[in-house]
Parts: sequence; structure tokens; C-alpha cells
Amino acid sequence: AQTVTQSQPEMSVQEAETVTLSCTYDTSESDYYLFWYKQPPSRQMILVIRQEAYKQQNATENRFSVNFQKAAKSFSLKISDSQLGDAAMYFCAYRLWMDSSYKLIFGSGTRLLVRP
Amino acid sequence: DTEVTQTPKHLVMGMTNKKSLKCEQHMGHRAMYWYKQKAKKPPELMFVYSYEKLSINESVPSRFSPECPNSSLLNLHLHALQPEDSALYLCASSQEEQGGEKLFFGSGTQLSVL
Repeated sequence: AQTVTQSQPEMSVQEAETVTLSCTYDTSESDYYLFWYKQPPSRQMILVIRQEAYKQQNATENRFSVNFQKAAKSFSLKISDSQLGDAAMYFCAYRLWMDSSYKLIFGSGTRLLVRP
Repeated sequence: DTEVTQTPKHLVMGMTNKKSLKCEQHMGHRAMYWYKQKAKKPPELMFVYSYEKLSINESVPSRFSPECPNSSLLNLHLHALQPEDSALYLCASSQEEQGGEKLFFGSGTQLSVL
């Protein structure tokens, strides 16, 4: 069964510094997608970044980048130049094809605090 | 328009009430979803509609009844709920695009069952 594990319940970073959030997953599939979602206090889920497993190159979106290690089944998120607006809950997610539809399996989340 | 709109934003109901949550998108997405999120937990999938047909039902109790009248609308009918059903209910829609499927979430309905 596919599982997603986020081992850091909470992380803290100084404004303008860099922080890395960890995510590991388990799957027997060879091609799949991984995502990082952000949920600020407004509680709306916002897509931060996504990675397709067959692509060797790590995805990057402005200050957000991933370190995708397929063999290790690791998918960490790096946030550079952290801003106060980055404070939120971050969920790692794995996309599963099931019953003719896609299903997202989420990790338990990491709360990111940004210190001014 | 890149929004998924959910109404109401907040709902308080008694255990004998019948209410409905509504979700709407005009992005032409053909897959729509209901998720339930308890406080400090990740979202859990309840239902998936693909091309207006229910394709995934995660063994949700029958007191939750989804309905997809057309490709833009998704409803969740609530009846005889329990206090433990209090949660944030998130609607989402998705489209397949280069780089993978992109899921758009609404801002949710915060439901309190008394």
C-alpha cells in the first residue's frame, strides 16, 4: 500500500533563511506524481510544487525546490529566503490511480513557523 | 476563472437537521472531489466524481450523500450527522495537464454538529 510519511510535526525558520521539510513515501509503482501543498490559516489548500517520478531533474518554483531521491523514496521541500507568508501547514502528497480516478494520499503535515 | 467556490463557509447544524454543502467550478474540470479534514490532520478523501459519475467512495457513512448535477456543480447532502462529523469539508476539482494533474481546492466549509 502507498503511504506518505512526514516525520517533522513542526519546523521553525528565521525570516530570509532556508528550511527543508522532509517527506518519505512507499510505493511499488515506477511512475507517479508527488506534490507539496501549503495550507495557511485560511485553510485553503494551495499547490506549491509537483514532481513526476520519471523526471530526473528536481522541480523548482521560484523560492521552492525539491530534492527528489527516487531510490530512497524521499521527496523533501526546500524553501529559500523564507518569508512571513510562508508560515503554514505543509502537506506532502502522492497521487494514486484508483477506480478510474486519481486519489491523493497526504502525509500528516509539517507546521512551519517563520520567525521575524 | 481559476476558482473553486464553496458555500456556505460556516455551518452549524443539529443532529436532526438536513443541510447541503455546495461546490462550483467553471474551469471545465471533469473530476471533482470531497475531502474531510479534522483539525491538525491531513485531508481525507470522501468521494470522487469523474465525468459526473461517482468513481470513488471511501466507505463514507450513508448520512453523507454526494450529488453531481452537472460538470460544474458538486453537492454534499448531510442528514442525521453526529458531533464527530464536525470538520472542514473541502471541495476540489482537477485537470490533467503537462507536468501532471493539478488539483484546485475551494476554501472549505467549516461544519459544526451540535
